[in-house]
Amino acid sequence: GNSVTQMEGPVTLSEEAFLTINCTYTATGYPSLFWYVQYPGEGLQLLLKATKADDKGSNKGFEATYRKETTSFHLEKGSVQVSDSAVYFCALRTNTGNQFYFGTGTSLTVIP
Amino acid sequence: EAGVAQSPRYKIIEKRQSVAFWCNPISGHATLYWYQQILGQGPKLLIQFQNNGVVDDSQLPKDRFSAERLKGVDSTLKIQPAKLEDSAVYLCASSLAGAGVGANYGYTFGSGTRLTVV
Repeated sequence: GNSVTQMEGPVTLSEEAFLTINCTYTATGYPSLFWYVQYPGEGLQLLLKATKADDKGSNKGFEATYRKETTSFHLEKGSVQVSDSAVYFCALRTNTGNQFYFGTGTSLTVIP
Repeated sequence: EAGVAQSPRYKIIEKRQSVAFWCNPISGHATLYWYQQILGQGPKLLIQFQNNGVVDDSQLPKDRFSAERLKGVDSTLKIQPAKLEDSAVYLCASSLAGAGVGANYGYTFGSGTRLTVV
């Protein structure tokens, strides 16, 4: 079946620290992989995506590389800001259906 | 372009009462989804529509949940009767693509309706 496992939180970092949130997946076929972000009181927003192996998605200083050999899509940012405080969800979407399979989310708090 | 609209934003009801949520997708989006996001978990698909037909409702608790998408545009999700464990955020999403098409088509989530059952 299809599933996503992501690093449990909460994660607390100081401003300008390096961020890694681990994500691994199990999927049938060739999924596309996504990171969504949910700021307090707001809906899900697409952060970045990658549609095939070795693709790198990037946005707002965040990056993630689709690694088929390790079935991973880890999220990284070199220098986090207070405004990055949110819940981050890793997700996959198969090419045979159209629904998303989400991880449980990782809460990130960045302190000044 | 306008996003996916949902209402109400918040709803508090007592257990065994009924409740309905409304979703208006992005204009032209053929596919509409309802997801349930329980606190501390990722969203889980409840039902997927392609135009006004159901594509996948395998995870919808049909003894109490129902959904319709009349005329292939707006959709309503209903819970009757509600249980305490139905407390969650109900997210609506829409996309251009139908089932079986690749993931490069736009897929947009609404802000959700937060339901609290007391």
